[in-house]
Amino acid sequence: DVKVTQSSRYLVKRTGEKVFLECVQDMDHENMFWYRQDPGLGLRLIYFSYDVKMKEKGDIPEGYSVSREKKERFSLILESASTNQTSMYLCASSLGVYQPQHFGDGTRLSIL
Amino acid sequence: EDQVTQSPEALRLQEGESSSLNCSYTVSGLRGLFWYRQDPGKGPEFLFTLYSAGEEKEKERLKATLTKKESFLHITAPKPEDSATYLCAAPRSNTGKLIFGQGTTLQVKP
Repeated sequence: DVKVTQSSRYLVKRTGEKVFLECVQDMDHENMFWYRQDPGLGLRLIYFSYDVKMKEKGDIPEGYSVSREKKERFSLILESASTNQTSMYLCASSLGVYQPQHFGDGTRLSIL
Repeated sequence: EDQVTQSPEALRLQEGESSSLNCSYTVSGLRGLFWYRQDPGKGPEFLFTLYSAGEEKEKERLKATLTKKESFLHITAPKPEDSATYLCAAPRSNTGKLIFGQGTTLQVKP
């Protein structure tokens, strides 16, 4: 079974802080994704990566950056956290572009 | 424009009362239709992939089917533990990025 592990289930940070969310997958998948999920807005893609050191913007990249130094690890960075970034963040990985994505359990992030 | 739409938004069933969830899509050259189950406070759990019209997949009380315009998730004799939000998704025709429907929240009462 694919295992996607997110480093924290719950996180509370302050406005202006730099925040790191970590994600690790154990299936040697090429592709990794970061989403946020908000009530009424569904799942929205922030960034994705098709290979190590490669990244592409998703639908809502503003205020975020990512890092993929190793194949199994994909980090999401909130450069200067703001209250409107309070959300559930989900990491996913897939073997190929048109293969199903497998998700971690999410990080519920609150920015105060 | 590529779109995925789910209906109904919410569904309440009695235990044992079978029903279907709908996922309509407008994606040219469909490269897969995915179904997920999401429990509160957790990430989506992959259930099925369907690739071509007429294809069917089954898992316990769930059966997913695909036509050229929509997919159905049939739930036969549901139990309370089937209560969850069910999401469908399809890759965009030009980029492969997934488009998710808004989900159907299913509640099964004992």
